[in-house]
Amino acid sequence: GAVVSQHPSRVICKSGTSVKIECRSLDFQATTMFWYRQFPKQSLMLMATSNEGSKATYEQGVEKDKFLINHASLTLSTLTVTSAHPEDSSFYICSATHVVGQGAGYTFGSGTRLTVV
Amino acid sequence: QKEVEQDPGPLSVPEGAIVSLNCTYSNSAFQYFMWYRQYSRKGPELLMYTYSSGNKEDGRFTAQVDKSSKYISLFIRDSQPSDSATYLCAMSKGGGSNYKLTFGKGTLLTVNP
Repeated sequence: GAVVSQHPSRVICKSGTSVKIECRSLDFQATTMFWYRQFPKQSLMLMATSNEGSKATYEQGVEKDKFLINHASLTLSTLTVTSAHPEDSSFYICSATHVVGQGAGYTFGSGTRLTVV
Repeated sequence: QKEVEQDPGPLSVPEGAIVSLNCTYSNSAFQYFMWYRQYSRKGPELLMYTYSSGNKEDGRFTAQVDKSSKYISLFIRDSQPSDSATYLCAMSKGGGSNYKLTFGKGTLLTVNP
């Protein structure tokens, strides 16, 4: 089956520094990847849609200069949290789409827990 | 009104019970419906994937979609302690790879041995 690898699984960083999270599709090519943010006991909130070779599309209210997304190849997308602050602490999850039957399947990475101190 | 409504629970059942999880939605444009299972601090795992109305069965899991009522369900038969997780419903308007998912808040399920 489709596998998406996300690294790191946990990261602690100091306030003001930047953190990069990687999302890789291991056994399929993903033209589209999605980045989500999840707060405790809350659902996944879509941050941005990332298409290979083009600029990401950000959801309303998400700062594109703070959350930099790069989708340089069909198997890799990265999310960089720039100048991180404690309020950026959250669980970040990526997903990649692949063909399933009549539509698209969405496979998720295992998530990255970011703690900004 | 949110696009997708899901009772967050928590729901606690004894082992072997039949579990019923539900979501309602307001946007009739949704065509694809999914159920994901998410263990604590992990990414969601796809359980069921359904296109349009109807039933779909996979082992102990059955997904139902009633587009006329804008209501979807997931049934778990012979529930096991390993089924304890958060269950998220999700749906999309199209089947192409760039259609985004809209999620419910998730229902926390605990199956007690």
